[in-house]
Amino acid sequence: EVQLVESGGGLVQPGGSLRLSCAASGFTFSSDWMTWVRQAPGKGLEWVANIKQDGSEIYSVDSVKGRFTISRDNARNSLYLQMNSLRVEDTAVYYCARNALTAFDYWGQGTLVTVSS
Amino acid sequence: QSALTQPPSASGSPGQSVTISCTGTSSDVGGYSYVSWYQQHPGKAPKLMIYDVSKRPSGVPDRFSASKSGNTASLTVSGLQAEDEADYYCASYVDGNNYVFGTGTEVTVL
Repeated sequence: EVQLVESGGGLVQPGGSLRLSCAASGFTFSSDWMTWVRQAPGKGLEWVANIKQDGSEIYSVDSVKGRFTISRDNARNSLYLQMNSLRVEDTAVYYCARNALTAFDYWGQGTLVTVSS
Repeated sequence: QSALTQPPSASGSPGQSVTISCTGTSSDVGGYSYVSWYQQHPGKAPKLMIYDVSKRPSGVPDRFSASKSGNTASLTVSGLQAEDEADYYCASYVDGNNYVFGTGTEVTVL
């Protein structure tokens, strides 16, 4: 059974940093692109970033470029999102998802990031 | 990237059909056959319902169907059931290996 479990969310002040993790199991992690998607409270889904199987290609939405970095450790079956210079508008539930070809077929339960003073 | 445009809400009685539109541009919906649809119940993670415009993953009922014409994709839920009440989001591959989601549609079963 495919499982994705996010962790690392919490309350952080504006300008602060946070590192999210996503532990994957039930599939060959190193064979798939992976993605982070976020959802602000009461709002819609927003694609944040994705990363190729070997980490050689990374893409992200303009609003997080230069502040967020997606990475992975295939030996640990783990996906990460390093978030720096956090803003109030980054407050959201962050989901990791398997990027199977051109869709997101498995999702974690999400981890809440709250940016507030 | 601008979000794809969906109607905020749609509704239908049990057994009826409801269709949700998803409008983008030639750089996303119109340019690729890579539109997907997600169902999200309150407090839950999204669930993939349709991929590659009209393909259903294993386990998704055939009451869910989808298509695309030009820059607009559509999801139809036939034979509405109470458990279909949820938010639905479209998504599309975008030039430059990015993705964009739709604004979301709340489906109510009357």
